[in-house]
Amino acid sequence: DAKTTQPPSMDCAEGRAANLPCNHSTISGNEYVYWYRQIHSQGPQYIIHGLKNNETNEMASLIITEDRKSSTLILPHATLRDTAVYYCTGGYNKLIFGAGTRLAVHP
Amino acid sequence: DTEVTQTPKHLVMGMTNKKSLKCEQHMGHRAMYWYKQKAKKPPELMFVYSYEKLSINESVPSRFSPECPNSSLLNLHLHALQPEDSALYLCASSPNTRQRNTEAFFGQGTRLTVV
Repeated sequence: DAKTTQPPSMDCAEGRAANLPCNHSTISGNEYVYWYRQIHSQGPQYIIHGLKNNETNEMASLIITEDRKSSTLILPHATLRDTAVYYCTGGYNKLIFGAGTRLAVHP
Repeated sequence: DTEVTQTPKHLVMGMTNKKSLKCEQHMGHRAMYWYKQKAKKPPELMFVYSYEKLSINESVPSRFSPECPNSSLLNLHLHALQPEDSALYLCASSPNTRQRNTEAFFGQGTRLTVV
């Protein structure tokens, strides 16, 4: 299972893009990268996942480097409701969470 | 229905009590998980069930006893807990543990306080 490293905290102004990096240099070749977020006192919520190509859905975009050692989650227009802890993770048959990034979106 | 339902939402129990946490999903998922989360820490994996069989136990003390009576239901039986076991207990499910390209759905958790 991939070990992930993320900055402990980030700030973002409302309406601006939030770019959250993740280092997963130990990820294996066919292991997907997943992003989840956890809003205070709630269960984690799935955001997006990818293998090699960049991915986009209604919540976010995921940019994965060509060597797959790192990725960036992009929230294109952050809102106050995006304030949460963001986790990137990989894993075949179990999700192992690292410390995550605490994103604070401010007015 | 993409929900994972956990009951109760809150539980206070004494160190000599026996209680159970319940988790239910009706998405046809065959993998179910228990996580424990302490304040300001990430969720820690405790158990994984695959097709109603325990496939992973992350060295959890025996005072926590999981049970998967059918494909929709997952229980966590608690006995002789310690105050340090107070935490948010999260349940999750996914289609199965063999596919790599699937997301997991989490319940809202049971907040357990051991007194």
